[in-house]
Amino acid sequence: DTGVSQDPRHKITKRGQNVTFRCDPISEHNRLYWYRQTLGQGPEFLTYFQNEAQLEKSRLLSDRFSAERPKGSFSTLEIQRTEQGDSAMYLCASSLDLGDQETQYFGPGTRLLVL
Amino acid sequence: EDQVTQSPEALRLQEGESSSLNCSYTVSGLRGLFWYRQDPGKGPEFLFTLYSAGEEKEKERLKATLTKKESFLHITAPKPEDSATYLCAVQGYGGSYIPTFGRGTSLIVHP
Repeated sequence: DTGVSQDPRHKITKRGQNVTFRCDPISEHNRLYWYRQTLGQGPEFLTYFQNEAQLEKSRLLSDRFSAERPKGSFSTLEIQRTEQGDSAMYLCASSLDLGDQETQYFGPGTRLLVL
Repeated sequence: EDQVTQSPEALRLQEGESSSLNCSYTVSGLRGLFWYRQDPGKGPEFLFTLYSAGEEKEKERLKATLTKKESFLHITAPKPEDSATYLCAVQGYGGSYIPTFGRGTSLIVHP
């Protein structure tokens, strides 16, 4: 397995447009997380899935953001009516929840620039 | 609410000059403390997970240690290729197990 992959790696869009990002987790992992990271900050949690169920959303996730994980495999993060403040690195991570132990492995990220 | 504070924010070392990075945390029952390395423009790369006070883990020139209030990442005889941002995160048993990340320490190792 080659790890977590994300597509696209870079996206430039105009304000008001919709964008969609894809994340393919490590195959046996049951949890998938989305984070947003801006310059000089650590990753900020957005949402996560346990298999296909979306269990938690951050208050950072406005109504313009939606995420799906059909069939518990890959996930998509869509941002509608993008704003300049949405410019950031969007990171996906996956993990295998073993009860008391869980380590997240990150993908390379999708860098979004909203003009 | 879980909190993570990393210090220093930035650190410049000469090649071979050993040092330590600090991660202070507050959490409602520690499920795990994680160290990641992040190169510019890339996703975080997993280094270590620590679960209980007194635990230590090593990988090449890096050694992570854990107490009930903080963790240290010791870098022995660093090389320029160790230059990166080092992120610390904690995951607690309170709530939904969502990890909280610090802002990171930016390390530059000069040859």
